[in-house]
Amino acid sequence: QVQLQESGPGLVKPSQTLSLTCTVSGDSINSDAYYWGWIRELPGKGLEWIGYISYSGSTYYTPSLKSRVSILLDTSKTQFSLKLSSVTAADTAVYYCVRVVRALRVFDPWGQGTQVTVSS
Amino acid sequence: IVLTQSPGTLSLSPGERATLSCRASQSVSSGYLAWYQQKPGQAPRLLVYGASSRATGVPDRFSCSGSGTDFTLTISRVEPEDFAVYYCQQYGSAYTFGQGTKLEIK
Repeated sequence: QVQLQESGPGLVKPSQTLSLTCTVSGDSINSDAYYWGWIRELPGKGLEWIGYISYSGSTYYTPSLKSRVSILLDTSKTQFSLKLSSVTAADTAVYYCVRVVRALRVFDPWGQGTQVTVSS
Repeated sequence: IVLTQSPGTLSLSPGERATLSCRASQSVSSGYLAWYQQKPGQAPRLLVYGASSRATGVPDRFSCSGSGTDFTLTISRVEPEDFAVYYCQQYGSAYTFGQGTKLEIK
């Protein structure tokens, strides 16, 4: 059974880069049946799709964040990462890593989530 | 595509029937409409995909219907473990979520 676990700093200063890692266990990350992605839950605003990466390295980012976000894949470590630059308080959220089922376009499963606060 | 869920909060007693609505600003392919359940302190969990197919382990008291711009999640008889927030999600050219419906104990 595949499991995902986020890790990274819980506090980031404004204008700095938010960096999170997701470790995948229980399944291979080298499959064209899935993408590996990130979603965030903004306080009072619900869920926002950030982007995903395929095992071949192709990426897709939501347009509103495209200029600041990058997602990388490390198949040797069965990990993928999120980097979000020039953060502000508006980026404070719970960040989830997810497996995207390509054929169904759904997110399953999700990591437990990690709270990231942007504050000086 | 904007998804609007109603009601925002639904107050019911265990054993009652729950009907949750998800309305899209444009037509959504039924193959790409899903529902998730989120309990406090937990990540969302996939409930239904393809507008009507239950995910593994989801009880058959959960059912979904709809097409085009109007979709419905129904819980035939609400159990105590069903009180949670429910989100609909669609994929068109991008992924979007509804704002959620909170199912609370009356």
